[in-house]
Amino acid sequence: DVKVTQSSRYLVKRTGEKVFLECVQDMDHENMFWYRQDPGLGLRLIYFSYDVKMKEKGDIPEGYSVSREKKERFSLILESASTNQTSMYLCASSILGLAGAGLGTQYFGPGTRLLVL
Amino acid sequence: DQQVKQNSPSLSVQEGRISILNCDYTNSMFDYFLWYKKYPAEGPTFLISISSIKDKNEDGRFTVFLNKSAKHLSLHIVPSQPGDSAVYFCAASASSSNTGKLIFGQGTTLQVKP
Repeated sequence: DVKVTQSSRYLVKRTGEKVFLECVQDMDHENMFWYRQDPGLGLRLIYFSYDVKMKEKGDIPEGYSVSREKKERFSLILESASTNQTSMYLCASSILGLAGAGLGTQYFGPGTRLLVL
Repeated sequence: DQQVKQNSPSLSVQEGRISILNCDYTNSMFDYFLWYKKYPAEGPTFLISISSIKDKNEDGRFTVFLNKSAKHLSLHIVPSQPGDSAVYFCAASASSSNTGKLIFGQGTTLQVKP
């Protein structure tokens, strides 16, 4: 079974703090993704990575950065947390391959609920 | 611009009846579609998928139908059980993008009443 773990389930931070969210997967997947989930907005892609040290912006990258120094680990960084970054953050991983060949399934971690005060 | 839309935010059905969740998409390049289920305070879990070369895929109580001409897919759950109560997300992907990115809908909250 694919296992994706996230460093914290719940986190409370103050405005202006630097926040690190860590994600680790144990299935040797090339692709890793960071999403945020907000009511009525679904899952929105923040950043993704298809290889070590590679990163691509998603749909809402502003205010975030990422780091992928090892294949199994993908970190999301909030440089200066703001109240509008209060959300559920979800990490996912998948095999690198053509989605049409059935390789597009992403496997998610349990999520980190972040509250910024 | 929402490329994948789930127009019903919520759905309530009686236990034992059929649940039908709908999803529309606008990008004709999408060729792989997935449904995920999410319980509160947990990450989404993969439920079922379908490739554009098919129009139906079945797995136990779950069936996904794809109508390419209408750019519409639906998830049927028969019979519905109280444990099916969750948020359901549809997602789509385009092979041509070769990035593995999925585009998600807004989600539909299903409540199955005993």
